Amino acid sequence: GESVGLHLPTLSVQEGDNSIINCAYSNSASDYFIWYKQESGKGPQFIIDIRSNMDKRQGQRVTVLLNKTVKHLSLQIAATQPGDSAVYFCAENPSGANNLFFGTGTRLTVIP
Amino acid sequence: GAGVSQSPSNKVTEKGKDVELRCDPISGHTALYWYRQSLGQGLEFLIYFQGNSAPDKSGLPSDRFSAERTGGSVSTLTIQRTQQEDSAVYLCASSLALYGYTFGSGTRLTVV
Repeated sequence: GESVGLHLPTLSVQEGDNSIINCAYSNSASDYFIWYKQESGKGPQFIIDIRSNMDKRQGQRVTVLLNKTVKHLSLQIAATQPGDSAVYFCAENPSGANNLFFGTGTRLTVIP
Repeated sequence: GAGVSQSPSNKVTEKGKDVELRCDPISGHTALYWYRQSLGQGLEFLIYFQGNSAPDKSGLPSDRFSAERTGGSVSTLTIQRTQQEDSAVYLCASSLALYGYTFGSGTRLTVV
């Protein structure tokens, strides 16, 4: 079956520091990856995505890096703010699949 | 509506009872997904609807679970003879394509 895992279940960072959240995936056929942010009591919210023909994509304060050789995905958040505190999920879509496969999530806590 | 609406937001039911969970997708979105999120876990795919095509039911955990989508819009997820292990947050998402899910806030189901 699909397996998307995260190296760290929790991460605490000081406000203003950069955060890096890591994710390992197991299906080499996956060609699309997404990071979601989930705040308490809410559904997951899209942050950024990347296709397998890229190794880096930047958004506003966020960067996703994809290393297909080791099947590793990371989310970098620059100048982390208290509002960034949430659970972050990576998700992968194997080519041809109708749905996304999600990891278990990393809880990011920003310390003021 | 402006977003994906799910109802009820919370549901407590007795073991053995049937429950119905409702999802109103974003108007015009042809794809609709149901996922289940158990405490501290990632999202587990349940079922996918796309237009008038036959749904992808490959994620439904047992025959106690069923879902329908009427008129290509509103969807209902039904769980018959609920068990305690069914307790979870049930999330609905809609999209125009696989890329760009919008999730609702979910229904928190507690089976006592």
